[in-house]
Amino acid sequence: ETGVTQSPTHLIKTRGQQVTLRCSSQSGHNTVSWYQQALGQGPQFIFQYYREEENGRGNFPPRFSGLQFPNYSSELNVNALELDDSALYLCASSPDQGSYGYTFGSGTRLTVV
Amino acid sequence: ILNVEQSPQSLHVQEGDSTNFTCSFPSSNFYALHWYRWETAKSPEALFVMTLNGDEKKKGRISATLNTKEGYSYLYIKGSQPEDSATYLCALISYNTDKLIFGTGTRLQVFP
Repeated sequence: ETGVTQSPTHLIKTRGQQVTLRCSSQSGHNTVSWYQQALGQGPQFIFQYYREEENGRGNFPPRFSGLQFPNYSSELNVNALELDDSALYLCASSPDQGSYGYTFGSGTRLTVV
Repeated sequence: ILNVEQSPQSLHVQEGDSTNFTCSFPSSNFYALHWYRWETAKSPEALFVMTLNGDEKKKGRISATLNTKEGYSYLYIKGSQPEDSATYLCALISYNTDKLIFGTGTRLQVFP
């Protein structure tokens, strides 16, 4: 399987709710990273997983959590949603830890109301 | 904290014009610089991964240079075409964190 697929493409949630975003990476891509892009900003690093273990985290609170599975899929979970969580969430994968560039999905647009 | 800045924020050029934009950073504490092209409603697409001072990469009409001593990378597009219209992002991977740190991007629009 080629490319990175994210689901859903759009999502509307209410403040306080929980959300799970999904990403399916290319086969053989052991590294997956998640990014948040708010309007007018560059993507901000949330966390990275390598072979199913978290190996890097950005400046995001613990209510942002993730999982990576052996089948190269991964999840981003956000609890207790806040209005400021409204953003585009991008997933990116790499066969190693980025030496050859990352393959990105097209993102999930989350709106919190 | 590694801060990545890109300029200009946006750029409008006519088809056939050549253009360039800048990615600047205050530190050499990184081991790779990436350039991505991001078209509207699509995924960011990797253009170049650069690792060494003086590194130069070229893909068709697009090329990039890296100067780690002065703290900048240039992306050049020769003979811009409407299909080059996109946001161009640069990102660094630092030794400390092993994560991509993005600039805010340069939005290029090429008019026919």
